[in-house]
Amino acid sequence: QKEVEQNSGPLSVPEGAIASLNCTYSDRGSQSFFWYRQYSGKSPELIMSIYSNGDKEDGRFTAQLNKASQYVSLLIRDSQPSDSATYLCAVNPVGGGYQKVTFGTGTKLQVIP
Amino acid sequence: GAVVSQHPSRVICKSGTSVKIECRSLDFQATTMFWYRQFPKQSLMLMATSNEGSKATYEQGVEKDKFLINHASLTLSTLTVTSAHPEDSSFYICSARDIAGGLGELFFGEGSRLTVL
Repeated sequence: QKEVEQNSGPLSVPEGAIASLNCTYSDRGSQSFFWYRQYSGKSPELIMSIYSNGDKEDGRFTAQLNKASQYVSLLIRDSQPSDSATYLCAVNPVGGGYQKVTFGTGTKLQVIP
Repeated sequence: GAVVSQHPSRVICKSGTSVKIECRSLDFQATTMFWYRQFPKQSLMLMATSNEGSKATYEQGVEKDKFLINHASLTLSTLTVTSAHPEDSSFYICSARDIAGGLGELFFGEGSRLTVL
């Protein structure tokens, strides 16, 4: 079982719709969770961090965390063509600190104008 | 967010030469930096974890004598690709973690695209 799993996609949504990106993780003790956006040919960019169960909203983005189900998701409201990118889910292990963050393989999102 | 600067952004070199890539945390101190490699349309692959003042920890399958990592200060880590060959052509990305706290987020440099002729 992979430590962090994401559907590779592509996930296609029409402009203006809500895009829902999902991620599951295997380490029950994981402490914090991140979503990164990576445009083709560019490096990843942090867009959301979350560590408590529930929802965290930032503009059009909402991160949702359910530690009991070991599930984290990212909702993008009013999707725009500029949101088309690969979204990486990342998990900070138990203890955090100097340990490496584990990344999923990413979900490619396509927003259709 | 925190800023990580990576240089050079692009480099073209001849086979057999060595190339150095620098990664700097500009507005925070980073005890730990990470180096990744990414081939076209593939996932990030962690190459090594760089700890300030100590030897880097390499992932399985990554040749430590070929990919030399030095983390001499809390704001600078370097990756040297020694005796580069065409198969080393890739997108190399560094990331850094702020030791001051937060949730342990990683901040990425802009990446360095290496082409070995």
